[in-house]
Amino acid sequence: EAQVTQNPRYLITVTGKKLTVTCSQNMNHEYMSWYRQDPGLGLRQIYYSMNVEVTDKGDVPEGYKVSRKEKRNFPLILESPSPNQTSLYFCASSLDRTDTQYFGPGTRLTVL
Amino acid sequence: AQSVTQPDIHITVSEGASLELRCNYSYGATPYLFWYVQSPGQGLQLLLKYFSGDTLVQGIKGFEAEFKRSQSSFNLRKPSVHWSDAAEYFCAGTNNFNKFYFGSGTKLNVKP
Repeated sequence: EAQVTQNPRYLITVTGKKLTVTCSQNMNHEYMSWYRQDPGLGLRQIYYSMNVEVTDKGDVPEGYKVSRKEKRNFPLILESPSPNQTSLYFCASSLDRTDTQYFGPGTRLTVL
Repeated sequence: AQSVTQPDIHITVSEGASLELRCNYSYGATPYLFWYVQSPGQGLQLLLKYFSGDTLVQGIKGFEAEFKRSQSSFNLRKPSVHWSDAAEYFCAGTNNFNKFYFGSGTKLNVKP
């Protein structure tokens, strides 16, 4: 089944403890992106990647890192999480940057 | 600055009634516009998109949207709402297919 998977789906952590949220797609998509969703703000783009080893900042990249070493994976790294990074995170992918984006199920992160 | 605005936070309509959700954009160049739906606890699903050509675009689930450059709008419509349409709807846009901007969302309630 074609899908975008994210792990974990739920995570509660403490300030400063490094964490990684994984994103994987099995559709051979070139474009991948991370968003965070906060009430009243909609989705805001964190980082995107047009292909392997090509990443760039979205609207809210501060406090986040990404890497794209393989086409299928696009992990989101929080080196030192803070409470203002408590949010619902979505990974998305598309065949190329002009094609339909398919969203993962979301990861709900709470930073205490 | 590029932005997408959804002026209505909540909308309630009766089942069988018509629906219009508003979206306004602010882009320097021609925007590419999208409408997504998010059911509770789910990721986002694309309803329709506008790139160019006919300004009235048809989407899935009986939805349509009309691009009006003079009003900087891309409103979503459905002639007869079903209870299963209750969800949150997001308008989104881009002008280069790298960065995507989402509105803050409109929550649709459907009265029986």
